[in-house]
This record gives sequence, structure tokens and C-alpha cells, in this order.
Amino acid sequence: LAKTTQPISMDSYEGQEVNITCSHNNIATNDYITWYQQFPSQGPRFIIQGYKTKVTNEVASLFIPADRKSSTLSLPRVSLSDTAVYYCLVGYYTGTASKLTFGTGTRLQVTL
Amino acid sequence: DAGVTQSPTHLIKTRGQQVTLRCSPKSGHDTVSWYQQALGQGPQFIFQYYEEEERQRGNFPDRFSGHQFPNYSSELNVNALLLGDSALYLCASSLADRDTGELFFGEGSRLTVL
Repeated sequence: LAKTTQPISMDSYEGQEVNITCSHNNIATNDYITWYQQFPSQGPRFIIQGYKTKVTNEVASLFIPADRKSSTLSLPRVSLSDTAVYYCLVGYYTGTASKLTFGTGTRLQVTL
Repeated sequence: DAGVTQSPTHLIKTRGQQVTLRCSPKSGHDTVSWYQQALGQGPQFIFQYYEEEERQRGNFPDRFSGHQFPNYSSELNVNALLLGDSALYLCASSLADRDTGELFFGEGSRLTVL
């Protein structure tokens, strides 16, 4: 399984764009890159997933360079409610139910 | 449409006791996975149930066991509790034939072992 490395913590002010970069040098050809968000005392919540280039949804964007050895989660104009832990995962999901491998994540603190 | 529900939300046990945690998957989902999350750590995969059978298992001892019922709900049992079993236990559900790595998690059961 590919191991991921991401910053332990980040700080931002409300209204700024936040970019969290994840390194996954050993990503396999079939692996997808998935990001989850977790608030205190809640279960993780799926944010976004991608394989290559750029993926955007109503919550975030995911940028993946051609070599796929890293990825960047971009949160536009964060608010206080975006304060959470963000996990970057890589893995291949075969159509049978997934086994997710979480690291320690990036703790994002948003302040006024 | 109910999401993943877990019970109890909090419980306290003493070393050596046994505990059973329960999970009802999101409506329409057929697969349940269990994760253990220690304080300050990411969730760690325990095992996964599909069609009432354990399909995958993480690096957890046999003290951790589970069950899935015909209605897809699931139980996690932990025997001979240790202090180190204190954690948030998360249940996640998905639909096996549409699985893309998007799991739906419940809010967890927080277990404290004294």
C-alpha cells in the first residue's frame, strides 16, 4: 500500500484559500487518491477523489500532477467550520468494499 | 434517509470485560466495515463484513470479532478488554458493487476502559 505524507497541521484565516499537499511517492498504477474530512467526535466524511489531473466538486478541488507522486487538496475561501482534520489516502478500490488506510492527517485550524 | 447509526455513543468498561458495539448501515448499503481510532490518530481498519462473512481483516487480535446480520446491520465484539482498547470505534458502510472508496461513517462509539 502506498504510504502518504502530509503536514501535521496548518493554520489559515477565514476567507483564504487553503492548499494541503500530500506526498505519495510509491503510488501504484491503479491507485486512486481520496481525501476525507473529520470533525471532532465524528466519523470521517468523503470530500473528493481523483486519479489524475484536476477534479472539482462543490466543496474542493484536487490537483494531481502527471507523475502522481503528490496531490493537493484545495479548499476555496475557508470558513471557521472548515476547521477539521484532513486525511489523504491512496488505494485501489476493486468494486468490492474498500479497506481504507488512514495516516495521521493534517489538522487545519481556521481563525478570524 | 438515515445514515449510518451506531450504539451506544459512549460506554465505560473495566479491564477484562467484554463489549458489544452495534451498527446499522446507510439505507441500501450491504457492506459494513469497522475502524478503531485512538486519540490523535487516524482510523485503523479492523475488519469488513459482506454477505454475513468477514471479507477482510486488519492487524487486530482475535479478541476482536464481529457479525453481520441478514438485514446488513453489524456488531463488533471485543473480549478481555485492555486499557489500550480505549478508542472511538467507527462503523462505515458502502455498497459493494458500486464501491469507489467512498465510505459513509457513523459518529462512532467511544469506549473507555478503566
